Amino acid sequence: NAGVTQTPKFRVLKTGQSMTLLCAQDMNHEYMYWYRQDPGMGLRLIHYSVGEGTTAKGEVPDGYNVSRLKKQNFLLGLESAAPSQTSVYFCASSSRVAGGGYNEQFFGPGTRLTVL
Amino acid sequence: GQQVMQIPQYQHVQEGEDFTTYCNSSTTLSNIQWYKQRPGGHPVFLIQLVKSGEVKKQKRLTFQFGEAKKNSSLHITATQTTDVGTYFCAGPGGNQFYFGTGTSLTVIP
Repeated sequence: NAGVTQTPKFRVLKTGQSMTLLCAQDMNHEYMYWYRQDPGMGLRLIHYSVGEGTTAKGEVPDGYNVSRLKKQNFLLGLESAAPSQTSVYFCASSSRVAGGGYNEQFFGPGTRLTVL
Repeated sequence: GQQVMQIPQYQHVQEGEDFTTYCNSSTTLSNIQWYKQRPGGHPVFLIQLVKSGEVKKQKRLTFQFGEAKKNSSLHITATQTTDVGTYFCAGPGGNQFYFGTGTSLTVIP
């Protein structure tokens, strides 16, 4: 099993350009998450999904959109990139616990995005 | 909103010394998770604590969950160079997880 994969690994954008980050997991997990990681600020949740066809906003959703058309894929889109979106982006997935509760999150290797 | 704070932000120790990081939540948590991120890597799950006052050990690592379920700690005994990295705690809020700011551990050989 590949676990959680992310493409691309690196990307440089100019202000105003758009792009889509792809996350794929092969563990049949229901939950998927997109985080951004900035120095000294830990991991902040951008958007998440609790199942195919559903998405919800996290802590810092502005400037991003997501889609979960297939259970194994979670796409993160930047419509008009800004320098403030320079960051490392991590995707994660986890399974649902019967009766509530939480399981561990499995993280992808990350995408390093620079917006000039 | 919910906040999860960690202290210290950075810690440098000599190899063989002990290390502790503390995690505090603004709200009561149903459970808490700990992750380790090696330099240049991605977070990797270490453990989950669920019960009030719970203590779990993994070799040289000891994890505690506070009685009020609002704080937690990770203690490493006799650090080794392989312990280098950033340690994060994370607590749930609804379907989300709120990560602490992390403690970056440097081990000096």
